[in-house]
Amino acid sequence: AQKITQTQPGMFVQEKEAVTLDCTYDTSDQSYGLFWYKQPSSGEMIFLIYQGSYDEQNATEGRYSLNFQKARKSANLVISASQLGDSAMYFCAMRELDSGGYQKVTFGTGTKLQVIP
Amino acid sequence: KAGVTQTPRYLIKTRGQQVTLSCSPISGHRSVSWYQQTPGQGLQFLFEYFSETQRNKGNFPGRFSGRQFSNSRSEMNVSTLELGDSALYLCASSSTVNEKLFFGSGTQLSVL
Repeated sequence: AQKITQTQPGMFVQEKEAVTLDCTYDTSDQSYGLFWYKQPSSGEMIFLIYQGSYDEQNATEGRYSLNFQKARKSANLVISASQLGDSAMYFCAMRELDSGGYQKVTFGTGTKLQVIP
Repeated sequence: KAGVTQTPRYLIKTRGQQVTLSCSPISGHRSVSWYQQTPGQGLQFLFEYFSETQRNKGNFPGRFSGRQFSNSRSEMNVSTLELGDSALYLCASSSTVNEKLFFGSGTQLSVL
């Protein structure tokens, strides 16, 4: 089974509109972390937002917010007021501990977001 | 504070050759991990080093190896290159085990 599932290979959004990128995860750990990264065409992975499994409030970072629904095992990224510079690949990732007690980070397949002027 | 630095940015090699990629983490970060990114397989974990010790390894053949130096800089080596090794290799650093990963710009390796 996939650890991280991003079901939207590509999405379009009108400039200044909000957009939600979906992410579901699979883990049996009680303690884990969820991340979103942005990868523009230059290749660098840019950290956007982090949500810990014990955090009761949804994480927010400027125009980015993470809609964390623990029971549903979903961690959707919401981008408000989209800008042209938001056009990029977006990856959801999960940090958990493996059988050796060391952290392991697994990435989803990504969603390509294109912002239309 | 300087970010994660990866060198070289681009590399072209032929089958059978070997290659060494370098990663300098953010100052003070002791954990360095490596990922391979390809269009078909996405981002796959290669290995992680912490304080010069390999703590975790992904499902890659022994041709892929790495090391970390006392200043936390890390190198990744791929021997006997194959066409399928063509990929973007990303390095990430973090300060402790549970901190977020900061990535470099990657090394784009092309094997001809």
